[in-house]
Amino acid sequence: DQQVKQNSPSLSVQEGRISILNCDYTNSMFDYFLWYKKYPAEGPTFLISISSIKDKNEDGRFTVFLNKSAKHLSLHIVPSQPGDSAVYFCAAIQGAQKLVFGQGTRLTINP
Amino acid sequence: DTEVTQTPKHLVMGMTNKKSLKCEQHMGHRAMYWYKQKAKKPPELMFVYSYEKLSINESVPSRFSPECPNSSLLNLHLHALQPEDSALYLCASSQELAGVETQYFGPGTRLLVL
Repeated sequence: DQQVKQNSPSLSVQEGRISILNCDYTNSMFDYFLWYKKYPAEGPTFLISISSIKDKNEDGRFTVFLNKSAKHLSLHIVPSQPGDSAVYFCAAIQGAQKLVFGQGTRLTINP
Repeated sequence: DTEVTQTPKHLVMGMTNKKSLKCEQHMGHRAMYWYKQKAKKPPELMFVYSYEKLSINESVPSRFSPECPNSSLLNLHLHALQPEDSALYLCASSQELAGVETQYFGPGTRLLVL
């Protein structure tokens, strides 16, 4: 039972354009959602989070949108840069500490 | 500073060996975690320690034995592992940030069991 789903295994975007990464979830009891970025042979790096009581959170080039009725969230990166090429994981917090990850989306930024 | 360090970076062990993975953070975080990540899969939670006490064990086989000697250190003792245990083992620690318990990950130990 996959509670957090990232249906696109990969995404390719031109440098300077907007990257949109999508995530769906099934458990309406999740309180918070987080996005992590992971380079090969490194641990995930925290990017941005959003509470379930909000619909948008912004931090620099990164914006996360939450649509609770659709159980859907998205991460927007604008403008996209070559260093953004990585695997992006959507995660939800179950209880106080248990992170449930999606399968990840590999983002490639083309020059 | 959100640095979590892990040693060793790489480890090769036989199925009869005993080895330990180490994790350290000096950020005063109250919770520490072990995750296992297989290739092209998301991290999977193994253990959680809160205030140096084991609070979550995700039904992990007993050949993995966690230990939290103090609030900054977390160990994972390995014994009689199987080749399918080969994976990236990630440590994390967490602090509350804007109301959410945000986890920060170390670089991982890549383990190969022969």
